[in-house]
Amino acid sequence: GAGVSQSPSNKVTEKGKDVELRCDPISGHTALYWYRQSLGQGLEFLIYFQGNSAPDKSGLPSDRFSAERTGGSVSTLTIQRTQQEDSAVYLCASSLGAGPSTDTQYFGPGTRLTVL
Amino acid sequence: AQSVTQLDSHVSVSEGTPVLLRCNYSSSYSPSLFWYVQHPNKGLQLLLKYTSAATLVKGINGFEAEFKKSETSFHLTKPSAHMSDAAEYFCVVSAMDTGRRALTFGSGTRLQVQP
Repeated sequence: GAGVSQSPSNKVTEKGKDVELRCDPISGHTALYWYRQSLGQGLEFLIYFQGNSAPDKSGLPSDRFSAERTGGSVSTLTIQRTQQEDSAVYLCASSLGAGPSTDTQYFGPGTRLTVL
Repeated sequence: AQSVTQLDSHVSVSEGTPVLLRCNYSSSYSPSLFWYVQHPNKGLQLLLKYTSAATLVKGINGFEAEFKKSETSFHLTKPSAHMSDAAEYFCVVSAMDTGRRALTFGSGTRLQVQP
């Protein structure tokens, strides 16, 4: 079946512009995660959606970052007033649920963001 | 709170020799443990997952990992390396923490396979 998809695959923007990154999770998956992977770094957790619960935003690095998930499916990560340090690969993952038998995360291919 | 330590940032082996990628973790709760692989310019792919059913977990591409609670380790092994195994490997801990699923990634181990 279809995996997690993300768009665009690459985004180049100018400093100060806003960008929107999209994630389509696997159908039926209730949990959705956003991560950031900077050059030579591990994965940094950004935000987590689980069903209809309030999202866990504890990983968002600043108030320029926000995310929403509409209808429990598609999610959009928005970065306002982009800075050069925002340049990274943004990864989205989804899992069937949050329990020990359903928490396996499946990752999308990522969006490579370059801020000039 | 939980943490993951991948003990080697780089590992280099010859093709056909064994692979050992080391991972230690700490978690206040009964965790799920994962290994993911990331090939250059590719997404993360799940190699294997440990819950609590068996301490020796077999994954894809001949990889396996053994959960050792007394050593808080979850090392990844493969008997014979192949050139296509060259990639970055991440050890991951997942546990419920104050009502939410917390996922912590290790910093990664880059595996080089020499011909």
